[in-house]
Amino acid sequence: AQSVTQLGSHVSVSEGALVLLRCNYSSSVPPYLFWYVQYPNQGLQLLLKYTTGATLVKGINGFEAEFKKSETSFHLTKPSAHMSDAAEYFCAVLPSGAGSYQLTFGKGTKLSVIP
Amino acid sequence: EPEVTQTPSHQVTQMGQEVILRCVPISNHLYFYWYRQILGQKVEFLVSFYNNEISEKSEIFDDQFSVERPDGSNFTLKIRSTKLEDSAMYFCASSELAGNIQYFGAGTRLSVL
Repeated sequence: AQSVTQLGSHVSVSEGALVLLRCNYSSSVPPYLFWYVQYPNQGLQLLLKYTTGATLVKGINGFEAEFKKSETSFHLTKPSAHMSDAAEYFCAVLPSGAGSYQLTFGKGTKLSVIP
Repeated sequence: EPEVTQTPSHQVTQMGQEVILRCVPISNHLYFYWYRQILGQKVEFLVSFYNNEISEKSEIFDDQFSVERPDGSNFTLKIRSTKLEDSAMYFCASSELAGNIQYFGAGTRLSVL
């Protein structure tokens, strides 16, 4: 079984400041990890993913995340927040090679960007 | 860019009524999914569908729920007799292959009165 914990249901940052959204997971098999973003009244859009290989992955809109197996974490960062980054962010895990293709999501973190 | 489309965007129904939520997955995708998100809670997996049959379902997906691919483009979720607790945002997703990236639609907000 797998689970995802996102610390902080709501994070506020100033425009230009570092964005750090935390995600910890548990999985009985090596996981595939994803970050999705949801803008108001829109669907879930993939930001980035980790499957295998390089543990630092880059996504759209300047976001990146690092897979740290020892910490079971996949935190999302962006060096400089922009007003357009205000949205809700979801971390999700997919168990690789387990024959199950259901994504398990965290509860989401709503990011506010203060001008 | 290809996208998953869902209709309607908002559905209001009376308790006990049947509802059908519709989705058009991305055209070359083979795997289809339904998820739901009750207000304030996590996005939860309901069911996955491949080759015209259910490949996986969660405990939520009981006998009140069914899925169908009635033609080459649509993928539907039917709730036979809606309950108040079925009120949620329902997301459809599709992927090219199993284990690949799942692309989501904008969702249908179902309100059961």
